[in-house]
Amino acid sequence: QVQLQESGPGLVKPSETLSLTCTVSGGSISPYYWSWIRQPAGKGLEWIGRIYTSGSTNYNPSLKSRVTMSVDTSNNQFSLKLSSVTAADTAVYYCARDRGAANTLDYWGQGTLVTVSS
Amino acid sequence: QSALTQPRSVSGSPGQSVTISCTGTSSDVGGYKYVSWYQQHPGKAPKLIMYDVSKRPSGVPDRFSGSKSGNTASLTISGLQAEDEADYYCCSYAGNYTFEVVFGGGAKLTVL
Repeated sequence: QVQLQESGPGLVKPSETLSLTCTVSGGSISPYYWSWIRQPAGKGLEWIGRIYTSGSTNYNPSLKSRVTMSVDTSNNQFSLKLSSVTAADTAVYYCARDRGAANTLDYWGQGTLVTVSS
Repeated sequence: QSALTQPRSVSGSPGQSVTISCTGTSSDVGGYKYVSWYQQHPGKAPKLIMYDVSKRPSGVPDRFSGSKSGNTASLTISGLQAEDEADYYCCSYAGNYTFEVVFGGGAKLTVL
């Protein structure tokens, strides 16, 4: 059974960079797409982007200028960096596996709350 | 791309059927077969319950079904059960010139 676990700081200061890592266990990280999705409190889901195990990426156009994703296949991990954060970036961040050609997110992490505040 | 449009809330009694709509455009829902649906209980991660419009992942009851007509996708839940009470999100591929995924705003299902 594939399991995903997000990790990283729960508090980030405005203008700084949010960094999260997702560790995949119970299965290989290859050959799949791996996605990040976020959800502000009481609001809906927002797709941030995805990365293939080759390193190829697709990002949400609205966040593209601030997002960087990377993958470490040797450690079964992939990561998210979001720069120049503001309070609007406060949300629960989920990592997920995308097994299909698009948006078939079949395994999800439990989510991690990231608060942007000074 | 704008978020897909879902009703904010739907409700039904146990045993009844409910349908949740998800309206987009020809650039997302109407243009591709890649519509998925997610069920989210409070405080939990979303769970995939439908993909490629009408395919059910293993373990999802056949009470859940999906369809699409034009720019609107639908999720139907028949034989409503108390545990079906949750938020439901639709999701579509929306790539025209670049790969993009968009979610609906979510619909709260209340089992009366």
